[in-house]
Amino acid sequence: EVQLVESGGGLVQPGGSLRLSCAASEVTFSSYWMSWVRQAPGKGLEWVANIKQDGSEKYYVDSVKGRFSISIDNAKNALYLQMNSLRGEDTAVYYCASAPGWEQLYWGQGTLVTVSS
Amino acid sequence: DIQMTQSPSSLSASVGDRVTITCRASQSIISYLNWYQQKPGKAPKLLIYAASNLQSGVPSRFSGSGSGTDFTLAISSLQAEDFATYYCQQSDSAPLTFGGGTKVEIK
Repeated sequence: EVQLVESGGGLVQPGGSLRLSCAASEVTFSSYWMSWVRQAPGKGLEWVANIKQDGSEKYYVDSVKGRFSISIDNAKNALYLQMNSLRGEDTAVYYCASAPGWEQLYWGQGTLVTVSS
Repeated sequence: DIQMTQSPSSLSASVGDRVTITCRASQSIISYLNWYQQKPGKAPKLLIYAASNLQSGVPSRFSGSGSGTDFTLAISSLQAEDFATYYCQQSDSAPLTFGGGTKVEIK
């Protein structure tokens, strides 16, 4: 069973930074794409970014380009999301997800990021 | 960016009913369409991938169809555990985009 566990969420002031982590079982990192998907309180799902397992390809939603950075450490089986210049509209539960392709097959439990003064 | 429009945004149905949810893409996505189910406080669950492929472990009462721009998720006989919110998602091109969701409620 593939397991994904997110951490690093919390309360941060507007303009601040936060780094989310996702610990994954080894089989996930061997051949999968990894993604971040978020969900603002009471709202729908929004895909944020994904990365190829070797780190050679990365894609972002326009609203986070230049502020967020996705990265992967295969030695540690870890996925990261560095979030800078945070805004109120970034407040959401952030999910880590993985799959062989661009669908999201396996999901973590989510970590809440709250941007507020 | 490809826009995904789901309808209806909500529906009320009874156990045993047949339910259909539609999703329209703003341009052709061939068959790169996925369907997810989400229950309150839980992570989404992949039901259907590539428009019509049932994910392993998902009951056969769920089915997906369509290609190009128009897609449908059908539940042949609604069960109590199916009351949830359903989302479509295109995975044809980045940025990946979700539909707005369809909340299936008990009538």
